[in-house]
Amino acid sequence: DAGITQSPRHKVTETGTPVTLRCHQTENHRYMYWYRQDPGHGLRLIHYSYGVKDTDKGEVSDGYSVSRSKTEDFLLTLESATSSQTSVYFCAISVEGPNTEAFFGQGTRLTVV
Amino acid sequence: GQQVMQIPQYQHVQEGEDFTTYCNSSTTLSNIQWYKQRPGGHPVFLIQLVKSGEVKKQKRLTFQFGEAKKNSSLHITATQTTDVGTYFCANFNKFYFGSGTKLNVKP
Repeated sequence: DAGITQSPRHKVTETGTPVTLRCHQTENHRYMYWYRQDPGHGLRLIHYSYGVKDTDKGEVSDGYSVSRSKTEDFLLTLESATSSQTSVYFCAISVEGPNTEAFFGQGTRLTVV
Repeated sequence: GQQVMQIPQYQHVQEGEDFTTYCNSSTTLSNIQWYKQRPGGHPVFLIQLVKSGEVKKQKRLTFQFGEAKKNSSLHITATQTTDVGTYFCANFNKFYFGSGTKLNVKP
């Protein structure tokens, strides 16, 4: 699994609270991604990073921010959680960029009540 | 855009039957990837196709990339219960995944 760890694995939070999800990798790969998975929508990109402090928005970035201060950690923050952000969040890495295979973490199931 | 459409959404088969899922794009793809996600699990990379008309096999799985590089298919011969899961195609270099085909295999 390319040494990817997501934390927490499960979280229940209240509407309006900030939430931070962590993705940690042990292989020093440059490219990291955050996806969300919802029934009927497959996987949709939230944000991605191509290096320390280098990030860009994906298809569904509204309401989310990211930070990458170290190669090994990619943090996803929900500034003020809403029920529409209830989802399963996957972190992924790719070794040589988006033209190569991606390895996914185990996922974080987030419920916003 | 660079999205990929995948059909069917669901497929229920009897063990031993064949299964095919299709992926279509309105634009030419530089490559296409396939992933499998077991129930409750995470997506796992299966293969990447790059060349026009490419066909690759992994045991009972056959992957094809269309001549125009706008479509792809995954065919499983003689399904087994271990094939259960959702199969996704992806235009990963544009970060798009298809919506997936959920395969259920009845023993």
